[in-house]
Amino acid sequence: EAGVAQSPRYKIIEKRQSVAFWCNPISGHATLYWYQQILGQGPKLLIQFQNNGVVDDSQLPKDRFSAERLKGVDSTLKIQPAKLEDSAVYLCASGGSTSGTTYGEQYFGPGTRLTVT
Amino acid sequence: GDSVTQMEGPVTLSEEAFLTINCTYTATGYPSLFWYVQYPGEGLQLLLKATKADDKGSNKGFEATYRKETTSFHLEKGSVQVSDSAVYFCALSDPLIQGAQKLVFGQGTRLTINP
Repeated sequence: EAGVAQSPRYKIIEKRQSVAFWCNPISGHATLYWYQQILGQGPKLLIQFQNNGVVDDSQLPKDRFSAERLKGVDSTLKIQPAKLEDSAVYLCASGGSTSGTTYGEQYFGPGTRLTVT
Repeated sequence: GDSVTQMEGPVTLSEEAFLTINCTYTATGYPSLFWYVQYPGEGLQLLLKATKADDKGSNKGFEATYRKETTSFHLEKGSVQVSDSAVYFCALSDPLIQGAQKLVFGQGTRLTINP
């Protein structure tokens, strides 16, 4: 089966510019996650969707970050305006309703490496 | 809140050496535990998992046992290979916290295996 797809793979922008990332989860997965992974650290959850509703966005910097998941499938994560400290890898993951998955088991995309200069 | 603490890296071993990467956790509920691996240039992949006390997860020669009494989930492999060089992340999923099913990760341990 196809894995989680993300684009772009790399992005370089200047501070105060805006950027958007796209994610297509594994077919049939109801839950979609966006994580931020800063160099040398473990991934940190930004937002979790169940179908097209938000379950948890407690760690999303809402003054500059936004995300949506239209029709419960694809998702976009946007940063506007970007700051230097937003330089990180942004990971999309999906999980949930596929039979045989363990509670909490997630499948990750390759990530988008963002550099803010 | 829930947290995961991993053995600090980097860890460098010779091929065929025994590997242990320590992982301990703090959780409100009764979490599921995972080890994810990130090979150079690739995304995170699930390596193994355990969902209840005394469960042993295993894959590709790696093993980890869910120890509730010590809140630990240490990763072990009897004989490492150069191809095991990667960053390893311990993680938990706690059904009692907001946003059930989200993963809480440790900081990662970079492993390098020399031939």
